[in-house]
Amino acid sequence: GAVVSQHPSWVICKSGTSVKIECRSLDFQATTMFWYRQFPKQSLMLMATSNEGSKATYEQGVEKDKFLINHASLTLSTLTVTSAHPEDSSFYICKFGLAVQETQYFGPGTRLLVL
Amino acid sequence: AQKVTQAQTEISVVEKEDVTLDCVYETRDTTYYLFWYKQPPSGELVFLIRRNSFDEQNEISGRYSWNFQKSTSSFNFTITASQVVDSAVYFCALSNTGGFKTIFGAGTRLFVKA
Repeated sequence: GAVVSQHPSWVICKSGTSVKIECRSLDFQATTMFWYRQFPKQSLMLMATSNEGSKATYEQGVEKDKFLINHASLTLSTLTVTSAHPEDSSFYICKFGLAVQETQYFGPGTRLLVL
Repeated sequence: AQKVTQAQTEISVVEKEDVTLDCVYETRDTTYYLFWYKQPPSGELVFLIRRNSFDEQNEISGRYSWNFQKSTSSFNFTITASQVVDSAVYFCALSNTGGFKTIFGAGTRLFVKA
């Protein structure tokens, strides 16, 4: 069964609203979390890396004030898209940062459509 | 800098044909991991294989096989006797051993026609 859940799986919102996406591990813990974004027909691009209890590190070109990451615990991370605009419409995927020699657990993804 | 190149954007084959998806990578690390993922229309990534940089053995799993050649920095993926259910986007990815970051290639969209 799935070991990582993301909620919601689909969200449609109006421009200007904020959207929170949750990523939760079901039976393991990890101190590091990665958030990826995938635009239609494009690859996954790393947005940010977060460690539990500390501030996230954002990749170049990703606005930290727009994409708020809260790594609340070893099993839960949230990504909040603040004041969402149509260009933020994308597929957002989380990944728990286990050692690379371990199985890599990605979340099932959240599709965001901003009207 | 790390980089993964999947030069084939789209491939279309007829069912039962063999197809090879190419992946070329760049890294300065001596120790690293390479991955292949399948992304069906649902969007959820399906892990296919992980290979570390010290293991150049080719691997076969059912209709899938992988050819890792460090000399050419390539990690190619072959599907034998393709099926319609193989239609998906396939990503090659690279991770270093330190920060767990995974860098993805652009992906190859495979269409398998009946």
